[in-house]
Amino acid sequence: KAGVTQTPRYLIKTRGQQVTLSCSPISGHRSVSWYQQTPGQGLQFLFEYFSETQRNKGNFPGRFSGRQFSNSRSEMNVSTLELGDSALYLCASSLNPGLAHEQFFGPGTRLTVL
Amino acid sequence: GQNIDQPTEMTATEGAIVQINCTYQTSGFNGLFWYQQHAGEAPTFLSYNVLDGLEEKGRFSSFLSRSKGYSYLLLKELQMKDSASYLCAADSTGGGNKLTFGTGTQLKVEL
Repeated sequence: KAGVTQTPRYLIKTRGQQVTLSCSPISGHRSVSWYQQTPGQGLQFLFEYFSETQRNKGNFPGRFSGRQFSNSRSEMNVSTLELGDSALYLCASSLNPGLAHEQFFGPGTRLTVL
Repeated sequence: GQNIDQPTEMTATEGAIVQINCTYQTSGFNGLFWYQQHAGEAPTFLSYNVLDGLEEKGRFSSFLSRSKGYSYLLLKELQMKDSASYLCAADSTGGGNKLTFGTGTQLKVEL
């Protein structure tokens, strides 16, 4: 069974641009969560989607948004990029919400904002 | 608010035992996770404690005290491949998979 896949793996953008990251969960998994990882802040929860609906949201500005499609694939978008948005963006999937202990992480997308 | 504290770095010797501590203050606490993350890789699940006490899984054990807001990860018979970042994360109520992570403990295993 294939794991969680994220595309692209690496991305370089400049300030003010916008970016879209994609996550394909493990087959059969319907819950997708997104996290931002930076050296100073560690892993921080962005949002969680289930059945195309956002179930939970972290403390990030409105520039960060996401969505989930009917096949459970998810995208996150960051608009008006800032230097501080440079981070590893991780996606994790589980069968259903409330199964965080059965959550698997993807390899991440490394975003660099210049 | 949510707060998780763990040491930034630790160094231990191959074959030895190391204990990585984590203290947490979260509302609606459900349970405590430990993840291992090698440089450049995704975090991998190690353990999940809901009840007080020690849970052993091979060379790795995890302990939880809910009343003290405290957990530790115990690694025995350390191997060089255990050099990694160890992340402590609290699972909060809400019915979803929202985890609050500490900044991670970078463990270096030396000969």
